[in-house]
Amino acid sequence: GQNIDQPTEMTATEGAIVQINCTYQTSGFNGLFWYQQHAGEAPTFLSYNVLDGLEEKGRFSSFLSRSKGYSYLLLKELQMKDSASYLCAVRPKGSNYQLIWGAGTKLIIKP
Amino acid sequence: DTGVSQDPRHKITKRGQNVTFRCDPISEHNRLYWYRQTLGQGPEFLTYFQNEAQLEKSRLLSDRFSAERPKGSFSTLEIQRTEQGDSAMYLCASSPGTGQNTEAFFGQGTRLTVV
Repeated sequence: GQNIDQPTEMTATEGAIVQINCTYQTSGFNGLFWYQQHAGEAPTFLSYNVLDGLEEKGRFSSFLSRSKGYSYLLLKELQMKDSASYLCAVRPKGSNYQLIWGAGTKLIIKP
Repeated sequence: DTGVSQDPRHKITKRGQNVTFRCDPISEHNRLYWYRQTLGQGPEFLTYFQNEAQLEKSRLLSDRFSAERPKGSFSTLEIQRTEQGDSAMYLCASSPGTGQNTEAFFGQGTRLTVV
């Protein structure tokens, strides 16, 4: 079967750094996405990884290790508006455009 | 507003009724996706269109569900003989037609409640 695992909930302090992990077991691999979703709103794109390594984009970075089936999203200088769910999604091989999604990690930022 | 728009935003229906949702993608995006999301879960893929052609359809999609994109622009998702288990947020997304790393832009969704 295909499976994406993320922690259900994490708490962090404003101004700090937090790392959200994602592990996956899919039928092949053809890219990994991270999305942010505020409560009651649509998911919005954060990052895409297809090769091993770190992709940095402002306060957000995403890392991928294909051999370990592992990714993480790193959020720096946390702001209260970063309180949201963070969804990891993998495109399995053999599917042109279908994504398999994790259940999301609810991130709570405290002052 | 040039984003993905979905209509209606909310729909309450009685079990057994048919419902239809509409999605208007970002213009010039030839890829369109339908997803279903329940509380505390990630989106679940339903179907994918490239222009007017339906190229992928989830095996989870029962024959009560049908989607169309007749002119390669807007799309409709119909659920026949609704069941309480169909209650969910139905999300539409679109993306440009080049490359596999292109992000999908999501609409605000249609929240369906079957009573």
